[in-house]
Amino acid sequence: LAKITQPISMDSYEGQEVNITCSHNNIATNDYITWYQQFPSQGPRFIIQGYKTKVTNEVASLFIPADRKSSTLSLPRVSLSDTAVYYCLVVGDYKLSFGAGTTVTVRA
Amino acid sequence: DAGITQSPRHKVTETGTPVTLRCHQTENHRYMYWYRQDPGHGLRLIHYSYGVKDTDKGEVSDGYSVSRSKTEDFLLTLESATSSQTSVYFCAISTSKQGVRTEAFFGQGTRLTVV
Repeated sequence: LAKITQPISMDSYEGQEVNITCSHNNIATNDYITWYQQFPSQGPRFIIQGYKTKVTNEVASLFIPADRKSSTLSLPRVSLSDTAVYYCLVVGDYKLSFGAGTTVTVRA
Repeated sequence: DAGITQSPRHKVTETGTPVTLRCHQTENHRYMYWYRQDPGHGLRLIHYSYGVKDTDKGEVSDGYSVSRSKTEDFLLTLESATSSQTSVYFCAISTSKQGVRTEAFFGQGTRLTVV
């Protein structure tokens, strides 16, 4: 299993871009990088997934360098409602392991 | 929410008693999971299932057992509850769709308190 390292917490202000970097040094060839978001008292929900280079959807962008040993989730122009825990996962099969995640706090 | 229902939503039980939590899904997904969530630990995988009667251990399986006799139901049992098992328990299913490999959907959670 790939060992995941991501910051415990990050603070930001409304309207700023938030970038969360996740390290996964021993990622395997068949692994995908996936990010989830969790609000208090709810289960996590899928944000974005990628294999290499850049993926963008209506919520976020995911940047993956060529060596795939790290990835960066980018949240553009955050609002107060983006305050949540963000989890980085390396998904190789169906055994989904989350970890502690990064608590992002957005302030007015 | 992929048709996932957890029951009960809240439970208080005494140390040493058996407890069973139920996860029910309506869409015949093959893969199902049980997680526990505690402050400072994020989500930790307890057990997961990849089919009827096919289950495997996760990161924190000690003190827990699971059963899956039907596709739609995945049961988590605490044989003899301890205070360290006080937690919020989440059930999840996973599915694949075009462009996304293995996306998980979660139930509403069960808050279990062992006194």
